[in-house]
Amino acid sequence: GEDVEQSLFLSVREGDSSVINCTYTDSSSTYLYWYKQEPGAGLQLLTYIFSNMDMKQDQRLTVLLNKKDKHLSLRIADTQTGDSAIYFCAESDWGGATNKLIFGTGTLLAVQP
Amino acid sequence: DADVTQTPRNRITKTGKRIMLECSQTKGHDRMYWYRQDPGLGLRLIYYSFDVKDINKGEISDGYSVSRQAQAKFSLSLESAIPNQTALYFCATSDLGTDLPGELFFGEGSRLTVL
Repeated sequence: GEDVEQSLFLSVREGDSSVINCTYTDSSSTYLYWYKQEPGAGLQLLTYIFSNMDMKQDQRLTVLLNKKDKHLSLRIADTQTGDSAIYFCAESDWGGATNKLIFGTGTLLAVQP
Repeated sequence: DADVTQTPRNRITKTGKRIMLECSQTKGHDRMYWYRQDPGLGLRLIYYSFDVKDINKGEISDGYSVSRQAQAKFSLSLESAIPNQTALYFCATSDLGTDLPGELFFGEGSRLTVL
């Protein structure tokens, strides 16, 4: 079945760049996502990338996709304390057979002032 | 008011009790989902429904059942709760026609503790 793996924890200093990594197994994925979960809240979509793209940039966020290695990363430039949250990678075949999202294990990002 | 509302937000119960978690949405979305979140395991899909007459099992449906009473309501039941069902449960909605493909809208979660 599908599997999405992430490291559990990342600690950075305010102002540094953060890089959160994810690996997935389903080669039929059409979209890959990054969701953010702030303390005590549900998840919110942060950004997504279509599977035929290598990179997507959105202000401080850069998503890199290596489809050959099934590796996705999220880079946050100039990390702020407000970026402290759990970040979930997810994949789906949206528009395809199942339209389900499969989430990773989540990475807790702690930003030190 | 939240677009996706879950009740109760917190519940403590005993082994063997029947529990129902309710979810209602005002987004007008056809698709609704139940996930559970466990530390180190991320979110795992329990059940999902693409319309009122459609119910599908997710990765971990054993021990759970669902009911889609209306487009706006999707409830999750634990017929006989056990301690390893202690978790944070999330309801989510989506629509195939959204601008952002695969964007799910989550409720704030229901924390269930089974003693």
